[in-house]
Amino acid sequence: KNQVEQSPQSLIILEGKNCTLQCNYTVSPFSNLRWYKQDTGRGPVSLTIMTFSENTKSNGRYTATLDADTKQSSLHITASQLSDSASYICVVTHSGTYKYIFGTGTRLKVLA
Amino acid sequence: SQTIHQWPATLVQPVGSPLSLECTVEGTSNPNLYWYRQAAGRGLQLLFYSVGIGQISSEVPQNLSASRPQDRQFILSSKKLLLSDSGFYLCAWVAGGPWDEQFFGPGTRLTVL
Repeated sequence: KNQVEQSPQSLIILEGKNCTLQCNYTVSPFSNLRWYKQDTGRGPVSLTIMTFSENTKSNGRYTATLDADTKQSSLHITASQLSDSASYICVVTHSGTYKYIFGTGTRLKVLA
Repeated sequence: SQTIHQWPATLVQPVGSPLSLECTVEGTSNPNLYWYRQAAGRGLQLLFYSVGIGQISSEVPQNLSASRPQDRQFILSSKKLLLSDSGFYLCAWVAGGPWDEQFFGPGTRLTVL
């Protein structure tokens, strides 16, 4: 079954600290993996996208990694800011279809 | 540039009433369009997707329906709302294949009482 699991479900960190969010997937065949940021009450916004041949991709303070062999991805946030408080969603695209498989997300809270 | 609109932004409806949510996309043609529902604290659930006018695929059985009367218009409807229909409804579009980014609308918060 094509699934995407994320951990932890929620996370609280202090401003300025780093954190890492995890995503494991069983989607096959795999096309690409995206990380989205979703602010409360808003639509998700893409942070990074990686294909199976890419190991890492950065977008400012956000760095995503991908291990296609173990089917794991992580999103590392450096020097967190209050505005990083949001849900982070891992999305894997099933190759050959128009279907996007969503994880349930990690809710991040950054405290001052 | 491309933009996606959804309305209304919030909606409170009684059980058994009809529903119509609208999504329009500007600045692109022949997009693939999607309706998702996000329940509180849950992930996005794909409800419908469309690859062209009049072409609708349903992902889960439910009392909701979708229509695509125009290339850049996607409508989500129900004849009789249930309490379980409450949630955050998101419309999204993709320019081409699954390698393209999905762009999401601002969402509609639906509360069924």
